[in-house]
Amino acid sequence: NAGVTQTPKFQVLKTGQSMTLQCAQDMNHNSMYWYRQDPGMGLRLIYYSASEGTTDKGEVPNGYNVSRLNKREFSLRLESAAPSQTSVYFCASSELRDIFYEQYFGPGTRLTVT
Amino acid sequence: AQSVTQLGSHVSVSEGALVLLRCNYSSSVPPYLFWYVQYPNQGLQLLLKYTSAATLVKGINGFEAEFKKSETSFHLTKPSAHMSDAAEYFCAVSDQGGFQKLVFGTGTRLLVSP
Repeated sequence: NAGVTQTPKFQVLKTGQSMTLQCAQDMNHNSMYWYRQDPGMGLRLIYYSASEGTTDKGEVPNGYNVSRLNKREFSLRLESAAPSQTSVYFCASSELRDIFYEQYFGPGTRLTVT
Repeated sequence: AQSVTQLGSHVSVSEGALVLLRCNYSSSVPPYLFWYVQYPNQGLQLLLKYTSAATLVKGINGFEAEFKKSETSFHLTKPSAHMSDAAEYFCAVSDQGGFQKLVFGTGTRLLVSP
């Protein structure tokens, strides 16, 4: 049981390049999320998928797109990377425990845009 | 809109000393409150949660937090710090009921000296 896995772990892009961050979970969770973490700003929600087949914008969606490929996989795409997108990206998935959704986080992808 | 304020981006304690990490929340509806811990180069892990049952909640690794509605606070404490507690701690808030999205604070880095 690997939990939430993310690839790649590190990536360096030039401004204007595109890339897709991959996330997969093997816990059969319905909901998945993408966050970015910046120094002094905590984690901010980029996009989320409450269930397979649905995606919604979070707090900071500009410059990103997502795909919920199936129940296991939720990818994040940067179409034209900008230096402001330099960040650590975390994927998470959640399940309903009694009355709240417990989120499980992946190890993160550290992205640098030059 | 919900928000979380964590006072102090860094807190330093000696091993064996009391740990107190502060969190104040703002929410127009009854909240769920969470503390997450992030060890270096890892994802976030749930430490404890308040979901409107007991106001004093106990988590993993000897941590506990008390929900005080009158003070809109959810401070994290541990009676005796251990070197292994050195990490970044995030307070988060979500709505009760329905699909819950987390709003994170900016984090507090706990430093433990021998």
